[in-house]
Amino acid sequence: QKEVEQNSGPLSVPEGAIASLNCTYSDRGSQSFFWYRQYSGKSPELIMFIYSNGDKEDGRFTAQLNKASQYVSLLIRDSQPSDSATYLCAVNKASNYQLIWGAGTKLIIKP
Amino acid sequence: DTEVTQTPKHLVMGMTNKKSLKCEQHMGHRAMYWYKQKAKKPPELMFVYSYEKLSINESVPSRFSPECPNSSLLNLHLHALQPEDSALYLCASSQAARGRDFKNIQYFGAGTRLSVL
Repeated sequence: QKEVEQNSGPLSVPEGAIASLNCTYSDRGSQSFFWYRQYSGKSPELIMFIYSNGDKEDGRFTAQLNKASQYVSLLIRDSQPSDSATYLCAVNKASNYQLIWGAGTKLIIKP
Repeated sequence: DTEVTQTPKHLVMGMTNKKSLKCEQHMGHRAMYWYKQKAKKPPELMFVYSYEKLSINESVPSRFSPECPNSSLLNLHLHALQPEDSALYLCASSQAARGRDFKNIQYFGAGTRLSVL
């Protein structure tokens, strides 16, 4: 089992719809969770972080964390073509607080 | 301001060359990182500096040599690289470094695209 798992996609979503990206992790001691967006050929850009169970909203983005089930998700409302990118889930490693990365989900927003 | 600056943006080098990648941040962060990223893969941690001291070396070959001259600067010295070392090299920084702050939000530079011929 991979430490952080994401569906590699591509996930195709119509413009204006809600995109839902999921991530599961294996280290029960993990305490912080991050979503990075990465456009092709560019570096990862932090878009959301979450530490507590529940939802955290920032504009069109909502991160959801369920530590009991060991999953974290990212919802993008009113999806735009500019949201088309690879979304990387990262989870801190309980032993040394470094990040464990998922393989990324490629999201395509269709106009 | 969450800016991490990397130079150069692109680098082409032969297998016998020596070159250096540079990274600078002025956010007062005390942890700095080097990552390597191949196409369609997540970033792969290479080195971590905490308070200017090397704290993590992920079994990286000795042809990669990191250096942290001060709390704002991080270098990666390259020597005798192989074509398989061609990748995007990313620098990141974060505020907490002593392992007690689990938040550890890492901010990335734009990266250096390295090609080894």
